[in-house]
Amino acid sequence: DSGVTQTPKHLITATGQRVTLRCSPRSGDLSVYWYQQSLDQGLQFLIQYYNGEERAKGNILERFSAQQFPDLHSELNLSSLELGDSALYFCASSVASGRGDEQFFGPGTRLTVL
Amino acid sequence: AQSVAQPEDQVNVAEGNPLTVKCTYSVSGNPYLFWYVQYPNRGLQFLLKYITGDNLVKGSYGFEAEFNKSQTSFHLKKPSALVSDSALYFCAVRDLTGAGNNRKLIWGLGTSLAVNP
Repeated sequence: DSGVTQTPKHLITATGQRVTLRCSPRSGDLSVYWYQQSLDQGLQFLIQYYNGEERAKGNILERFSAQQFPDLHSELNLSSLELGDSALYFCASSVASGRGDEQFFGPGTRLTVL
Repeated sequence: AQSVAQPEDQVNVAEGNPLTVKCTYSVSGNPYLFWYVQYPNRGLQFLLKYITGDNLVKGSYGFEAEFNKSQTSFHLKKPSALVSDSALYFCAVRDLTGAGNNRKLIWGLGTSLAVNP
């Protein structure tokens, strides 16, 4: 158990809908990262927050947005969902934003868009 | 541009034999290098990292990796493979000289390791 929690574990929804994925980092970790993992595209970094502020951005679509709240939990919002958004979404956390900090991953949310 | 390559999609090895999972990287400065493992239906787990110092890094579950600056490689190794080592392995690199958006980790596509009994 990494100490990172994600809810829900599974999510099934329809195209065009909007969903929110939630992540609670390990106690004391200030950075949160979001990743998308699919069979055809592998592990894709989406976005990083550090202590409430956006720190780095990856291949995140405009339909997706995220934020980190004062209690350091984070939410990833996915809107206007398409079939291709079906994937595993991972949250990870690290102590700080240092370049040598390892990341601790949650168990993931499996999103299925029908 | 920063990049990391895992040239083998899959590696097969017999239990008890040594294993190597390859990783090469390209960065403009000095790298921070990481290995993670993903077991089926689980999140990724940190195995080991190289930041500075000894080129041979020891990590979890008996794994080690050797940093080779001249060959820009960071291959993952284990002297004696176990069936339970079967998993997906990811290499990642971060450029020390990067700033802003360059702080993100660059991930390889992963190598599936199958250890046969």
